[in-house]
Amino acid sequence: DGGITQSPKYLFRKEGQNVTLSCEQNLNHDAMYWYRQDPGQGLRLIYYSQIVNDFQKGDIAEGYSVSREKKESFPLTVTSAQKNPTAFYLCASSTSTGTGVGASFGQGTRLTVV
Amino acid sequence: AQSVTQPDIHITVSEGASLELRCNYSYGATPYLFWYVQSPGQGLQLLLKYFSGDTLVQGIKGFEAEFKRSQSSFNLRKPSVHWSDAAEYFCAVTSGNTPLVFGKGTRLSVIA
Repeated sequence: DGGITQSPKYLFRKEGQNVTLSCEQNLNHDAMYWYRQDPGQGLRLIYYSQIVNDFQKGDIAEGYSVSREKKESFPLTVTSAQKNPTAFYLCASSTSTGTGVGASFGQGTRLTVV
Repeated sequence: AQSVTQPDIHITVSEGASLELRCNYSYGATPYLFWYVQSPGQGLQLLLKYFSGDTLVQGIKGFEAEFKRSQSSFNLRKPSVHWSDAAEYFCAVTSGNTPLVFGKGTRLSVIA
């Protein structure tokens, strides 16, 4: 079945450590996105990529980094510069930036700083 | 810039009652509009979308939404709510070549 796989589902990080969240899709979608979700805040865009080896900052990119070396993969690194990283992270993909049938979402990764 | 407002943070309805969740958007041209649903700890599932044409769109799980350009609204409705509809609902907008912009969500509780 086609879809988006995020791993791990739960992740714990010590303060000062970098951590990488995985996102893989087999939908042959061109565009991929990372959103952060906090209670009462909705989804806020961190980074997005429309094509391999290219990506753009979203509204809250500070403290995060991404790469897009393969069409099907878009990992997100939460760096130690991110002051409040505890949140639910959602990866999404679409046939092109925001259009088509809308975006498909993964099941999310809950990151907790301990 | 595009924006979405969902005025209701939390709504409680009785099972079998009708439901309307409000969504207002800000965008200069004709928007692409979406409603998504999220169960706790899960990803988002697309309920329905509006691109053009008929302003009343039907979605999955018995939901429908009506696009009203004059009111910049895209409200979600369901005639009879089931307990399994309890979840968080997000309205989203795009110009067509930009990432989705989401509202802050409305949490729906269903009581017997």
